[in-house]
Parts: sequence; structure tokens; C-alpha cells
Amino acid sequence: GQQVMQIPQYQHVQEGEDFTTYCNSSTTLSNIQWYKQRPGGHPVFLIQLVKSGEVKKQKRLTFQFGEAKKNSSLHITATQTTDVGTYFCAFRGSQGNLIFGKGTKLSVKP
Amino acid sequence: SQTIHQWPATLVQPVGSPLSLECTVEGTSNPNLYWYRQAAGRGLQLLFYSVGIGQISSEVPQNLSASRPQDRQFILSSKKLLLSDSGFYLCAAVSSIYEQYFGPGTRLTVT
Repeated sequence: GQQVMQIPQYQHVQEGEDFTTYCNSSTTLSNIQWYKQRPGGHPVFLIQLVKSGEVKKQKRLTFQFGEAKKNSSLHITATQTTDVGTYFCAFRGSQGNLIFGKGTKLSVKP
Repeated sequence: SQTIHQWPATLVQPVGSPLSLECTVEGTSNPNLYWYRQAAGRGLQLLFYSVGIGQISSEVPQNLSASRPQDRQFILSSKKLLLSDSGFYLCAAVSSIYEQYFGPGTRLTVT
């Protein structure tokens, strides 16, 4: 079935460095969502992208949806220790359920 | 906005024992409800989803079952737990728009 691949699986950065996680699909997606899960917590919705080439920003976070709607990225500028967690991309399947990537676990060294 | 309650928050159960996890939703009516499982350090696996009372669809064959006795209540059960059932169980609901709200989760350890 449809799935999305996320890379990298893990990323360790020094506080202040930038971070990017990528989400790739072999098929065209109608939408892509991003979630953040803090250690020990539950996933929290960040954003949804639906348009080809769409770019959205939330403070230091920039989300992009590729022109072909087969890939997406989340970029964090100047990471802070509060950015620690696992970032998941997901898309909505035919039954309304979300199909998640395996996530990118970000650790930030102060 | 929606609020999802789950209990218990943590649970330690022996192999072969039964399981019942409960999820209730506030702030919306007739939501689509979902049960996910997350193994340690892994992604989210969809177990069951429900589009209405008594309507359950299973995504993964397993010894777990789900029921939806009321519009805003979703229950995950097992008659006999296996070691492989350990994990973080998350209940989720879809809002009238598109984002998925997750409950706080139940951390289950089967010993």
C-alpha cells in the first residue's frame, strides 16, 4: 500500500544549528501533514500542506510540499533544546486514517 | 476544540491476562476514531478505526479487538495479552477540518 519514507532516522545537532527532515512518496499525495512528538508525549499536529509547491512558515519552522506532491520537508532554523522530539510526516489514506512515516528523532546538544 | 481522554496512563500486565483500554472524546460529535500502537522508538501503527457506533475496521491481524459502544467512546481489548503487545497505545480523533488529535496515550508493559 501507500507509504512515505522519512530520512534521516536520527539527527543530532548542536544548539543553533539548522535541521531538516525529508518525507518521500513513490506516488502523488493529496496532502501531507507534520506532527511533533516530544519524548514521552503524544504526537501533536503542526501543519497540513495540500498545494503543489506550497511553503508555510511557523516561526523557525519551514514546511515545503514538492511540485510533484511526492515529497515534503521540514526545516528548523537555529535549533533550540525545546525542538527535541520526533517529527513525523503523514498523509491521509482512503479511509480517513493517517499513514505515518517512521519519523526523524531530533536531539539537540546545548 | 476536541479533547481526548485515555486511561489508564500506564499499565503493567502479565502475559495471558486480559486488557481493556478506554478512550473518550469531548468537544465533537460523530468523530472518526482510531487506535494506534507505537513500539519503543518506532513509528505509529494503525490498529483499528471506527466511523460510527458499532462500526470497527481492523488494519492488522492480531489478538486485539476494538469496540465503540457510544459515539464518543472507543475501547481496545484483548482476552490474552502477548509480550509483543507491549507498547504505547494512542487513541485519536479526526476533527471536522483535517487535523488528527491524539490522546495522552497508555503505556502498556506486558511481563
